[in-house]
Amino acid sequence: GENVEQHPSTLSVQEGDSAVIKCTYSDSASNYFPWYKQELGKRPQLIIDIRSNVGEKKDQRIAVTLNKTAKHFSLHITETQPEDSAVYFCAASHLSGGGADGLTFGKGTHLIIQP
Amino acid sequence: DTGVSQNPRHKITKRGQNVTFRCDPISEHNRLYWYRQTLGQGPEFLTYFQNEAQLEKSRLLSDRFSAERPKGSFSTLEIQRTEQGDSAMYLCASSPTGGVEKLFFGSGTQLSVL
Repeated sequence: GENVEQHPSTLSVQEGDSAVIKCTYSDSASNYFPWYKQELGKRPQLIIDIRSNVGEKKDQRIAVTLNKTAKHFSLHITETQPEDSAVYFCAASHLSGGGADGLTFGKGTHLIIQP
Repeated sequence: DTGVSQNPRHKITKRGQNVTFRCDPISEHNRLYWYRQTLGQGPEFLTYFQNEAQLEKSRLLSDRFSAERPKGSFSTLEIQRTEQGDSAMYLCASSPTGGVEKLFFGSGTQLSVL
C-alpha cells in the first residue's frame, strides 16, 4: 500500500517569512496529492491539491510542487501570517474512478508562526 | 449549516461497551468516508460508501467495527466491545466527486474508552 512521509514534524518561522513542508510517497500509481490544514480542535480543511499531470499549482500565498520522478511534493506558504499557524497534512491517492480511492495521510507538520 | 455534521462530538465509554456514531454528509454528496485520527497522527482511512454501498474496508476495521449508510444518506459507525485502543477522533468526510477529491470533513466524534 501507499506510504507517505512528511517533514518536518514541527516548523517555526517568523511572521512574513516563507514556510516549506515536504512529503514523499511510495506508490508510483498515486496521482492525486491534496494538502489539508487542521487548526486545534477543528476539522481538516482542504487548502490546495494537485494532480500528477501538473508540476505546480498556486493559489495566492500557497503553492504546491510535485516531482513525479522523485516521488515527492511540497507545500510552500509565502508571507506567513499568524492565522497560518496550524497542523498541515499532506496526502496521496490513486484516483482510479472505481477503486478504493482512500487517501493516505502523512503524520502532519505543526507550523508555528512567530510574531 | 450545510457542512458535514457528526454526532455526538464527544463520547466517553467504559471498555466492553458498544458505541454508535452518526454522520450526516452534505446532501448532494454521493461518496462518504470514515477516518480515524489519533493524537499526533494524520487521519487513517477506515471505509467508504458510494451511495448506500460500502465499497471498501481498511484492514484497520476489525470485526468489532461496522458501518452502514441506509438509503445513501446519513451513515453510522458502530464499535462493539470497545477497547482502550479504540480511543481516537472518528472523522467522517463526504465528496461531491466520484472519489476523494475535494473531501469535506466533519468535526469528528472524540471517543474515550476508559
